[in-house]
Amino acid sequence: GENVEQHPSTLSVQEGDSAVIKCTYSDSASNYFPWYKQELGKRPQLIIDIRSNVGEKKDQRIAVTLNKTAKHFSLHITETQPEDSAVYFCAPIIQGAQKLVFGQGTRLTINP
Amino acid sequence: NAGVTQTPKFQVLKTGQSMTLQCAQDMNHEYMSWYRQDPGMGLRLIHYSVGAGITDQGEVPNGYNVSRSTTEDFPLRLLSAAPSQTSVYFCASSYFSGGFAGELFFGEGSRLTVL
Repeated sequence: GENVEQHPSTLSVQEGDSAVIKCTYSDSASNYFPWYKQELGKRPQLIIDIRSNVGEKKDQRIAVTLNKTAKHFSLHITETQPEDSAVYFCAPIIQGAQKLVFGQGTRLTINP
Repeated sequence: NAGVTQTPKFQVLKTGQSMTLQCAQDMNHEYMSWYRQDPGMGLRLIHYSVGAGITDQGEVPNGYNVSRSTTEDFPLRLLSAAPSQTSVYFCASSYFSGGFAGELFFGEGSRLTVL
């Protein structure tokens, strides 16, 4: 099965600065790379995803980059705001797999 | 379109009691799954299903049963509740055709406390 690791486990940044969270996976057959955001007391929700034939995808202040050779993908948040404070999970998916395993999560805190 | 609906939202059980967490989705998703999330922890897969009549175990299946008699419903049964099963439970669903097609949609969660 897929081994998934997220780094760092906690991240604290000043409002307005950038944040980067990295997700490392083990299976080279992975072909779909989503990031989920979970605000305190809420359900996880998809915020951005990328497929294996694309190297980078942006959506306003968030972006995801993929390095298939090194088997990792990263979430980038620029101009961070208080509402970005949450736990972020990666969940790389192996083509044809039936199990979806999440990384252990990264708690991001934005300091005013 | 309600998405994924879980009931109950809160439940307190005594050790040894049994109960069923209900999950229903109205998006005609083939894939449904149950996760548990302990305080400050990640999401761990309990059981999943890729279609009616098909279920399989995830990472932490012990103490839980599931069934999938219809596309819409995927109940999770706790057979004999233990304090270690105190957690928040999330049901999630997705399109699935030989593999994941995209986003996993989550219910609001069910907070279970076992005394």
